Amino acid sequence: VELLESGGGLVQPGGSLRLSCAASEFTFSSYAMNWVRQTPGKGLEWVSFISGSGYSAYYADSVKGRFTFSRDNSKNTLYLQMNSLKGEDTAVYYCARWRDGSGFDYWGQGTLVTVSS
Amino acid sequence: DIQMTQSPSTLSASLGDRVTITCRASQNINSWLAWYQQKPGKAPKLLIYKASSLQEGVPSRFSGSGSGTEFTLTITSLQPDDFATYYCQHYNSYPWTFGQGTKVEI
Repeated sequence: VELLESGGGLVQPGGSLRLSCAASEFTFSSYAMNWVRQTPGKGLEWVSFISGSGYSAYYADSVKGRFTFSRDNSKNTLYLQMNSLKGEDTAVYYCARWRDGSGFDYWGQGTLVTVSS
Repeated sequence: DIQMTQSPSTLSASLGDRVTITCRASQNINSWLAWYQQKPGKAPKLLIYKASSLQEGVPSRFSGSGSGTEFTLTITSLQPDDFATYYCQHYNSYPWTFGQGTKVEI
């Protein structure tokens, strides 16, 4: 199983960024996926969940209405569209595979998003 | 939202020690709890799921227990590779939340 995030970088407050996560070595459409972020030097925060089909998605209150989680099962790729970015969105963003009822069993290496002027 | 509170925040231990970390949920989460280990600069690693089930490949010195609102992660005979930060996470209902972490140091 391999998960590879990309798309992080420096963005100004109010700006937008799209993260991607390329998955390989497993049946991608059979698994729900998630984004989890970690503020530098601090703890973990679950951001969003998407079902294997992509039809269901859930969000943390802190990003609801600003972030959109989608997936392209034909490309084995996840996308996190982040709009109206705030300083508190600065974090390392991880994509993580959800094994139904059993936790995040595989994680990517993370991509750093910095929101600053 | 369900709040997860870990204790202690930092734990000093020696090689061979038995270590116990506690995680309390602000409301009943049944057994929908996972434990992760994280080392600096790395992604978290799943250790325990459903409160007490050991993830494949994780050494048997790690164990989890509890249900409802109180949970523990126990490491018997602490090894050099175990010095890390440990997080609990509930998945009873959205939003899923993590504890603030427990750093196990020498």
